[in-house]
Parts: sequence; structure tokens; C-alpha cells
Amino acid sequence: DTAVSQTPKYLVTQMGNDKSIKCEQNLGHDTMYWYKQDSKKFLKIMFSYNNKELIINETVPNRFSPKSPDKAHLNLHINSLELGDSAVYFCASSQDVRRGRLEKLFFGSGTQLSVL
Amino acid sequence: LAKTTQPISMDSYEGQEVNITCSHNNIATNDYITWYQQFPSQGPRFIIQGYKTKVTNEVASLFIPADRKSSTLSLPRVSLSDTAVYYCLAVSGTYKYIFGTGTRLKVLA
Repeated sequence: DTAVSQTPKYLVTQMGNDKSIKCEQNLGHDTMYWYKQDSKKFLKIMFSYNNKELIINETVPNRFSPKSPDKAHLNLHINSLELGDSAVYFCASSQDVRRGRLEKLFFGSGTQLSVL
Repeated sequence: LAKTTQPISMDSYEGQEVNITCSHNNIATNDYITWYQQFPSQGPRFIIQGYKTKVTNEVASLFIPADRKSSTLSLPRVSLSDTAVYYCLAVSGTYKYIFGTGTRLKVLA
């Protein structure tokens, strides 16, 4: 039983296209995240939702739009894809950061996005 | 948010003990030092967390001196399967977890 699952695992597309990555967690967590990892393994937070409410919105182009239909799902939609968007995108979840306690993050296995 | 600094890469041989040091000069009073491990083609996974002195679990040990300006992750008797990227973070009960670039550990036969 995969705790945090994201699809697709690989995504190859042309510049200018629109694509979506889906994420689901079955851990009962309230908080979900999107991270972007570049080729140098730098892992940077993009967004975070707590119980469907946006709580972190880093400096990310507005071509990236997260959507959380319920607390178990956090999808990432990317419009007008650019070459620089090529990276691995990770979804993660944690119990509830709003409780102000230390949280362990649980990550999905990543989506390798290649923009040609 | 405390910034952490760690070596970009390290090589080791099977059976050796590996120590990865992380610097965090501006760590906050309520920050905990946390380490994640990332295997190729997988997401990071939590391995250990501590506040000061020593913490040990089935995977690793974490040493944090009294001044808390640095910490050391110790992996006993590494095997090839310990080849991974190791991230050091200073975290508290806030929303952001800053991962940085991590340390690429390569274990050689």
C-alpha cells in the first residue's frame, strides 16, 4: 500500500503544452506539499496545503497552479511549459503542521518532467 | 530559518563507518536537527532527528554538541545500499522544510 502516490512517474512533453501531475496520500494527513528537485539535487518547496487551504506559496511562476479537491489529494497543473521546468517534482505529506509540532514528511516517488 | 551547510559528496567503502557533518551556525532555540535519506529514483525519507547530545536508532546515530552549531550523522558499517543523498535540515513547528543540496554518499565495494 503506497502511502504517497503520484502519477505519472515520467512525463515528456513539448514546450508550450499544459500538463498535470496528480498526488494522493492514504495516511490521513492534513498537510500536503509540492517540491521541485533540480539536476543538482537541490530540493525546493513550491506549495503547501493544509486541509485544502493554501499555506505556502513560494516564488513560483503563476503558470504553476496547485489544486486540492480534498485533503488526500494535491494536484499540480502547469501551463505553457518551458525548458526550465524540466525537473523531478515530488509530492509529500505530513500529519498537520498547524499544530506547531515537529512533522515527518512522507514523499512520493517523484515525477520526472522533461520538456523538449 | 536556519541555513545548513554540508559537504557536496563523500565516498566510502563497504563496512566502514561514515560520518557526515552539517553546519548550522544560526540555528534557532526551538529547531531540531533532522536528516533525510534519498535513494536514486525515490523521494526523501526521514531517518533521524535530535535536539542535542546523541540520538540513535536502527539506521543511524546523530551527534549534536552543546553549542548546537553543527551536527554529525553517523552511519555504522555502510553497505552498497547506503549509497544515497543525505539531507540535513533544521526544523521547528513551522511550515517550511529547507532541504538544500544534500551530501551524495557513494559506497564502494
